[in-house]
Amino acid sequence: QKEVEQNSGPLSVPEGAIASLNCTYSDRGSQSFFWYRQYSGKSPELIMSIYSNGDKEDGRFTAQLNKASQYVSLLIRDSQPSDSATYLCAVPSRGSARQLTFGSGTQLTVLP
Amino acid sequence: ETGVTQTPRHLVMGMTNKKSLKCEQHLGHNAMYWYKQSAKKPLELMFVYSLEERVENNSVPSRFSPECPNSSHLFLHLHTLQPEDSALYLCASSQVSTGTYEQYFGPGTRLTVT
Repeated sequence: QKEVEQNSGPLSVPEGAIASLNCTYSDRGSQSFFWYRQYSGKSPELIMSIYSNGDKEDGRFTAQLNKASQYVSLLIRDSQPSDSATYLCAVPSRGSARQLTFGSGTQLTVLP
Repeated sequence: ETGVTQTPRHLVMGMTNKKSLKCEQHLGHNAMYWYKQSAKKPLELMFVYSLEERVENNSVPSRFSPECPNSSHLFLHLHTLQPEDSALYLCASSQVSTGTYEQYFGPGTRLTVT
């Protein structure tokens, strides 16, 4: 089982809709979870960090963590074409919290 | 602007050349990382320097050689590369002692090996 798994997509949503991105992880001991956004040809940008069960909201973005079910999700409300990017989920690597294990990413396209 | 800079931003080199990639972080972090990202592939961790300890991915060929002279600077020395080494090379840094482990990436170096 991969440490971090994401739906590879691609995912398309119309402008103004809610985009839902999901990530599951295998290490029950994981305490930190991160979402990165990567535009084509650019480097990953940290957009959300979540450490506790429940929801964390930042503007149009909401991260949801469920440790019992070992999943973390990212909701993007009122999606904009500028949200079109690949979204990467990351958790500290098993055996070494100094490293992150990244999912393969979900490509999101927001259609105008 | 994340506080992590990389130079050069683009590099084209022949298979017999020797070149170096440079990374500098201005965030006061104590860990730095090199990643490789090939087209349509996930991020691949190459090397980690954390608290003066080096960790490397055993699958990285010896033609890649890292150097970390201090906590703010990281180099990746390249020699006799192969065309399959063409990729985006990303540097990242984090503060591992705070328990949060967030990593911040530089803009990357787009490497093309001809």
